[in-house]
Amino acid sequence: KAGVTQTPRYLIKTRGQQVTLSCSPISGHRSVSWYQQTPGQGLQFLFEYFSETQRNKGNFPGRFSGRQFSNSRSEMNVSTLELGDSALYLCASSSGLATNEKLFFGSGTQLSVL
Amino acid sequence: DQQVKQNSPSLSVQEGRISILNCDYTNSMFDYFLWYKKYPAEGPTFLISISSIKDKNEDGRFTVFLNKSAKHLSLHIVPSQPGDSAVYFCAASSPSSGGSQGNLIFGKGTKLSVKP
Repeated sequence: KAGVTQTPRYLIKTRGQQVTLSCSPISGHRSVSWYQQTPGQGLQFLFEYFSETQRNKGNFPGRFSGRQFSNSRSEMNVSTLELGDSALYLCASSSGLATNEKLFFGSGTQLSVL
Repeated sequence: DQQVKQNSPSLSVQEGRISILNCDYTNSMFDYFLWYKKYPAEGPTFLISISSIKDKNEDGRFTVFLNKSAKHLSLHIVPSQPGDSAVYFCAASSPSSGGSQGNLIFGKGTKLSVKP
């Protein structure tokens, strides 16, 4: 079974630009969550999508948005990039149907904002 | 305010010895705790978990202990191996996440180095 796939692996953008990151979950998984990892803050929850609906959201500004498609693939968008948005963005999937499921993470997209 | 704290950024242990990684939490509503391991350039991988109704869970060389009164959990690795060298994250979830299964609160991680 293929794991969680995130593309691209690396991205370099400049301040003010926008960026879209993609995540393909494990086949059969309907829940996709996004996390931001920075050296100072660890992993912070951005949002979770289940069956094309945002089910939960973390404490990030509106510049961070996401969506999920009918095939469960998800995209995350960051508009008006700031230097502080430089981070590793991780996507995780699960079935989304049970409580306390473990999450399966992708390798992440390393975003650098110059 | 950090709800899950890993106060030791790093830990160095000799191969064959015990590694003990600690985690403290502040939210008494947390009912499920997980440990993830992360190698460089890879995503975190699930290691072991424990429900708040238990105080110990064991899986091979890995044991997690939960002390609810102290709001403290620890991960024991015995014996430690060089391949265990990685960053270990403690994470917690609560039923108040609105049914979402994907919202975990992570600590900042502890980098474990196991020396041969």
